[in-house]
Parts: sequence; structure tokens; C-alpha cells
Amino acid sequence: LAKTTQPISMDSYEGQEVNITCSHNNIATNDYITWYQQFPSQGPRFIIQGYKTKVTNEVASLFIPADRKSSTLSLPRVSLSDTAVYYCLVRIYNQGGKLIFGQGTELSVKP
Amino acid sequence: GAVVSQHPSRVICKSGTSVKIECRSLDFQATTMFWYRQFPKQSLMLMATSNEGSKATYEQGVEKDKFLINHASLTLSTLTVTSAHPEDSSFYICSAVQTSGDTEAFFGQGTRLTVV
Repeated sequence: LAKTTQPISMDSYEGQEVNITCSHNNIATNDYITWYQQFPSQGPRFIIQGYKTKVTNEVASLFIPADRKSSTLSLPRVSLSDTAVYYCLVRIYNQGGKLIFGQGTELSVKP
Repeated sequence: GAVVSQHPSRVICKSGTSVKIECRSLDFQATTMFWYRQFPKQSLMLMATSNEGSKATYEQGVEKDKFLINHASLTLSTLTVTSAHPEDSSFYICSAVQTSGDTEAFFGQGTRLTVV
């Protein structure tokens, strides 16, 4: 499973757009890029997943360049409730949900 | 999204006793479930992969005799921490993947275990 690297922490203010970049240099052809959010004392919650280019859902966008060696999670107009740890992971398509978590990025949103 | 429920959400036990944690997929069937452990301010650490009807596969360094995993049905996996010690105090989280197709893993809300 590809190892991921992301910033340990980030600070932002309410209403700003937050971009968290993750590097996964040894991602394999069949790997998907997945992002999860975790609040203290809760299980991780799925945010978004993509393979290439851009994916958007109701809460976030995921940008993946052509070489797929990195990805950027974009959170539009964050609020205080977006303060959490965000994990970038890669997983192999159609081989189950086994996920190896890296250190994650602790996002702190200030008023 | 699909719901994975863990029970209990928190438990306190005495040293030397055993504790069982249940993980249920409420609205889907899960051939595979995963168990993680998370210490304060740290990331999730995968402990084992639980497959319905077969023995669990443990990650390196995880004692299979201490952390007993049973996956008796497509909706239930259990983790039993045997002869618990204070160093086993942690946040235990399970995840489950739907049997058919390729979907994201759904996580339970976690179980806070405190061994006194």
C-alpha cells in the first residue's frame, strides 16, 4: 500500500477555502485516493475518493494531477465545525477496504 | 451512507479481565471487517483483518492470542481483549466493507477502553 505524506497541521479562519495536499509518490495503477475526516473520539468519516483529474461532492473537491503522485483536498468556506484531522489514504481497487493510515493533518479553524 | 455500529462506546474494566467489543454492519453485509487501535494524538493503527467464516489475519506485532477476533456472520465481528492490562487502554475502531462491489470502508464510532 502506497505511503502518504501530508502536513501535520494547518490553521485557517472561518469562511476561507482550505487546501490540504498529500503526496503519494509510489501510488500504483490500481490505487484510488481516499480522504477521511476524524473528530476526537469518533471513527473516521469518508469525505471523498478519486482516481484522476477532479472529483467534487457536496462537501469537498479532490484534485489529482495527471501523474497521480499527489492530490489536494479542497474544503470551500470552512467553518468551526470543520476542525478535525484529515487523512489521505490510497487503496487498491476491488481488493477490499484495507486502509493504512498515515499521520493525518490536524486542521484548526479559528473564528 | 452505510452504518457501522460498535458496542459498547466506552468500557472500564479491571486488570486481568477480558472485554468484548462488537462491530455490526446495520444495513449491509460485510464479508470483511477491520479492527484498528488509536492512542491519544496518534493515527489509527490497523490490528487485523476479519473475514467472515475464517480466521482473522493479524498485522505484524499484534498478539492474536490477546486480541481474539471472531467474524461469525456477515454483519457481526467481535474483538475480545483478553487479560487486559492498563497498556491496552485505547480507542478501538472497526470498519466494514460491503460484500459486493468496490465501495469505501465505513467506520464504527469507536470504543474507548480503559483498564484500571
